[in-house]
Amino acid sequence: NAGVTQTPKFRVLKTGQSMTLLCAQDMNHEYMYWYRQDPGMGLRLIHYSVGEGTTAKGEVPDGYNVSRLKKQNFLLGLESAAPSQTSVYFCASKGTEAFFGQGTRLTVV
Amino acid sequence: KQEVTQIPAALSVPEGENLVLNCSFTDSAIYNLQWFRQDPGKGLTSLLLIQSSQREQTSGRLNASLDKSSGRSTLYIAASQPGDSATYLCAVSKGGATNKLIFGTGTLLAVQP
Repeated sequence: NAGVTQTPKFRVLKTGQSMTLLCAQDMNHEYMYWYRQDPGMGLRLIHYSVGEGTTAKGEVPDGYNVSRLKKQNFLLGLESAAPSQTSVYFCASKGTEAFFGQGTRLTVV
Repeated sequence: KQEVTQIPAALSVPEGENLVLNCSFTDSAIYNLQWFRQDPGKGLTSLLLIQSSQREQTSGRLNASLDKSSGRSTLYIAASQPGDSATYLCAVSKGGATNKLIFGTGTLLAVQP
């Protein structure tokens, strides 16, 4: 009963490096979301998907790209990491109820 | 634009006390409302989901109510325990094509032994 699994859990990047965060869900949900959580800012929506092959921008999409080639996976990419992208990233999948992964703590130095 | 507010931002109570956390939202046209718990350094754990047609939901010592017309929800925690210490977040969804969740900024609860 995995629910939503995020990898990696922690990562340190140098400015300008790229990386991909993976989110996998086993609940056959159509909707998937990427959020970032920063102190004092709450959870902010980066990108989301309403089904396989679809993606859309959320509140704070700049500097990120996403892909949803398979229904169970939602990938978040950082092409050229910046210190402002230091944050905790959460993935969620949603049917009627939303379920969250355990988060990825990313530090960009 | 939907805005979700949670008051208080922080709350400290002695063990055993009953307490109420508040969530208010500006647009009453919601599909459902969900309460989450977040422990430090962890992800969000779903506690209760209330559909727009429902008035309340209960799970163990937790009871969540919804008054859609006034844009309010409360989370009642009975007989609080130190293990209840966490940040509590409410989120509303309008359903529809995007089914997005709009979050409040949370209430940090500390239950003192």
